Amino acid sequence: DAKTTQPPSMDCAEGRAANLPCNHSTISGNEYVYWYRQIHSQGPQYIIHGLKNNETNEMASLIITEDRKSSTLILPHATLRDTAVYYCIVRAIYNNDMRFGAGTRLTVKP
Amino acid sequence: DSGVTQTPKHLITATGQRVTLRCSPRSGDLSVYWYQQSLDQGLQFLIHYYNGEERAKGNILERFSAQQFPDLHSELNLSSLELGDSALYFCASSPGQGAAQPQHFGDGTRLSIL
Repeated sequence: DAKTTQPPSMDCAEGRAANLPCNHSTISGNEYVYWYRQIHSQGPQYIIHGLKNNETNEMASLIITEDRKSSTLILPHATLRDTAVYYCIVRAIYNNDMRFGAGTRLTVKP
Repeated sequence: DSGVTQTPKHLITATGQRVTLRCSPRSGDLSVYWYQQSLDQGLQFLIHYYNGEERAKGNILERFSAQQFPDLHSELNLSSLELGDSALYFCASSPGQGAAQPQHFGDGTRLSIL
């Protein structure tokens, strides 16, 4: 699986959009981009994933650049409950495991 | 609520002991994955079972073993416990195999070795 690079921490004002970047410059064509978050010591929560196209669900939007070397997770209206560690993970289609890095600690401030 | 159930939530035991952690996957999911999260190592994949058969192994110690039963629940057995085994243990499930489908995680079992 390709390696990912995320900033260690970010702040966001409550009610504003949170844009979390992820670099995966060595990604290959058969690798998905996944985003999870972990609040305190709870189990990681699935947010969204995509292969080539941008994706949107009720939680977030995933924007993948045309060359697929980076992506951005967008939380459109961040709330205090969105404070968490966000993990960007690249998974090959045939891979059964996920490799979590250090993630980005997002703090949403009032 | 992810639909993945892990028991017990907390477990406190002593070095040298053996414990069993249990995981019930989401209804209909055939794959079960185990992960370990310790303070110094982050989240690490341990092992994957699909429909009762072992499919992939990660950084799982020989003192650890797992199985998936016909009703699809899974157990992770940890033996000869050491202080360094203190960690959060998470189970995840997905409908099938591979990366096309997301894994959904339970809330974990916190294991403390005294």
